[in-house]
Amino acid sequence: GAVVSQHPSRVICKSGTSVKIECRSLDFQATTMFWYRQFPKKSLMLMATSNEGSKATYEQGVEKDKFLINHASLTLSTLTVTSAHPEDSSFYICSARVGTGVNQPQHFGDGTRLSIL
Amino acid sequence: AQKITQTQPGMFVQEKEAVTLDCTYDTSDQSYGLFWYKQPSSGEMIFLIYQGSYDEQNATEGRYSLNFQKARKSANLVISASQLGDSAMYFCAMREGGSNYKLTFGKGTLLTVNP
Repeated sequence: GAVVSQHPSRVICKSGTSVKIECRSLDFQATTMFWYRQFPKKSLMLMATSNEGSKATYEQGVEKDKFLINHASLTLSTLTVTSAHPEDSSFYICSARVGTGVNQPQHFGDGTRLSIL
Repeated sequence: AQKITQTQPGMFVQEKEAVTLDCTYDTSDQSYGLFWYKQPSSGEMIFLIYQGSYDEQNATEGRYSLNFQKARKSANLVISASQLGDSAMYFCAMREGGSNYKLTFGKGTLLTVNP
């Protein structure tokens, strides 16, 4: 099946640091990837839709200058949390849509647990 | 209004028994898709099953089946012969027509399978 790789799986860093998370589609090309944030025991909240070769589409309330998304190739999207603060600590997970059929599920990476001290 | 409602924060089931996880949805679109995902404590999201709004038959995938009742706007997940490894969070999600394939997730149900 389709494989999405997300790296790193866990990050612990100091406040003020910028953190980059990578999301790769390993065996397929993904023109569209999605970035979600999940708080403990909560549902997934869509942050933005990442489109290859164009600007990401952010959901309402998500700071685009805070969460920079780059989708420079058909197999890689990156999320950079800039000047991270403790309130940015969360579980971030990406997904990619396989194919163009309406019945195609999104396949998810394993997620990144971000802890800002 | 919530688009996806999962009314069971937690469910318990005995090993080898069947369990139904509820999901209701709200949309005015004629074309939409419903998905179920499993999230173990390790965090990854595992796709389980899909039901399209135009599909006349209920979807099945191994031990998973989807009880789709379109008029009631419900898409309940049935897990047969529960196993200990089925203990996880289960999320129902909907993709609406023309939404650029965005998914809207419910709040999830934590399933615990008892030995």
